[in-house]
Amino acid sequence: QMHLQESGPGLVRPSETLSLTCNVSGYSITSGYFWGWIRQPPGKELEWIGTVSRGGSAYYNPSLESRVTISVDPSKNQFSLKLSSVTAADTALYYCARDYLTNGGGFDIWGQGTMVIVSS
Amino acid sequence: DIQLTQSPSSLSASVGDRVTITCQASQGIGKFLNWYQQKPGKAPKLLIYDASSLETGVPSRFSGSGSGSDFTFTISSLQPEDIATYFCQQYDNVPWTFGQGTKVEIK
Repeated sequence: QMHLQESGPGLVRPSETLSLTCNVSGYSITSGYFWGWIRQPPGKELEWIGTVSRGGSAYYNPSLESRVTISVDPSKNQFSLKLSSVTAADTALYYCARDYLTNGGGFDIWGQGTMVIVSS
Repeated sequence: DIQLTQSPSSLSASVGDRVTITCQASQGIGKFLNWYQQKPGKAPKLLIYDASSLETGVPSRFSGSGSGSDFTFTISSLQPEDIATYFCQQYDNVPWTFGQGTKVEIK
């Protein structure tokens, strides 16, 4: 059974880079599907950040594209999120998820989420 | 970006009641709409895809309908374990966007 688990620092200082990793177990990410990151700021709605293919091709939410990089590490069966120049507005619960749709947008398996606070 | 407006933002109903949630898109999205359930402290769970298709293993009391810009999510007979926040999500156009959620409580 596939399981996703996010990990990374829970506190990031303003202007620094947020880095999170999603470990995938029970399935090889090189076998298929796409892999995405979604976040939820406190009291606000979910926001899709971006999605990466098993081959490493990624596409992003235009509102974040200038600051975001999503990549895959097949050797570790992980994919990662980097968000640069963070501000308090980036404080959120960050989820990784599997996107089962070839054209994107179908998140059928999610991690539990990891809270990231941006503060000095 | 396509905006999704859910209504109501919260509701309270009795066990056995029929519960209906609506999701209106700011432009037509065909049937490219998902519905998710999120219980407190848990990851979201996909319930409905393509506006009306039930995900495998999801109880049949959950259903979805609609196309274009107006969609409906229904719980035919509310159960105590259905206490959660439900939200819609469109996948017609990038960026994929979500509704603000509807919190369902037991009266």
